Amino acid sequence: GAGVSQSPRYKVAKRGQDVALRCDPISGHVSLFWYQQALGQGPEFLTYFQNEAQLDKSGLPSDRFFAERPEGSVSTLKIQRTQQEDSAVYLCASSSFSGGAKLQETQYFGPGTRLLVL
Amino acid sequence: TQLLEQSPQFLSIQEGENLTVYCNSSSVFSSLQWYRQEPGEGPVLLVTVVTGGEVKKLKRLTFQFGDARKDSSLHITAAQPGDTGLYLCAGEDNYGQNFVFGPGTRLSVLP
Repeated sequence: GAGVSQSPRYKVAKRGQDVALRCDPISGHVSLFWYQQALGQGPEFLTYFQNEAQLDKSGLPSDRFFAERPEGSVSTLKIQRTQQEDSAVYLCASSSFSGGAKLQETQYFGPGTRLLVL
Repeated sequence: TQLLEQSPQFLSIQEGENLTVYCNSSSVFSSLQWYRQEPGEGPVLLVTVVTGGEVKKLKRLTFQFGDARKDSSLHITAAQPGDTGLYLCAGEDNYGQNFVFGPGTRLSVLP
């Protein structure tokens, strides 16, 4: 079956531009995660959805970052007024786990969107 | 905030050599995972360890969770070029409310 897909794979934005990153999780997966991975670093948690509910957004770095998953499947991470420090790979992961501890089920990661803000 | 440190940061070895990479924290984790990430791809889960002292083997890879659940190691026997990649550990706290990734160990196995 198909894995997690993300689009676009690469995005170059001018500082101040708004961007939208899309994640298509594995069909039927309840949980969806967004991470930010800076160059040479491990992924950092941004936000977590269970179906359409955003249960944890504690990792979003500022109010310029917004994520949604309106129908409990596809998710979009939006960054408004992009800054150079937003340049990173944005990873999406999904899992079939539906509650409790987040890491108890396997997270399947997409290939990421590499964002470069000039 | 719980932090994970990984060492070494970079490791370059010849095919056939053995190696060990480490994941350490001052905090206790209820579970810990190891991932491998190749360039341009997302991380792929290798193993989850949940019990202090637990040892898991996956072909040539041996994973150990420390007795105090604060550290873990990954040992690779007879490394192959296909083992090249970024090895990440990720830990979950005892409440299942927070998890973090380490910065990774970038392994290069030369033929």
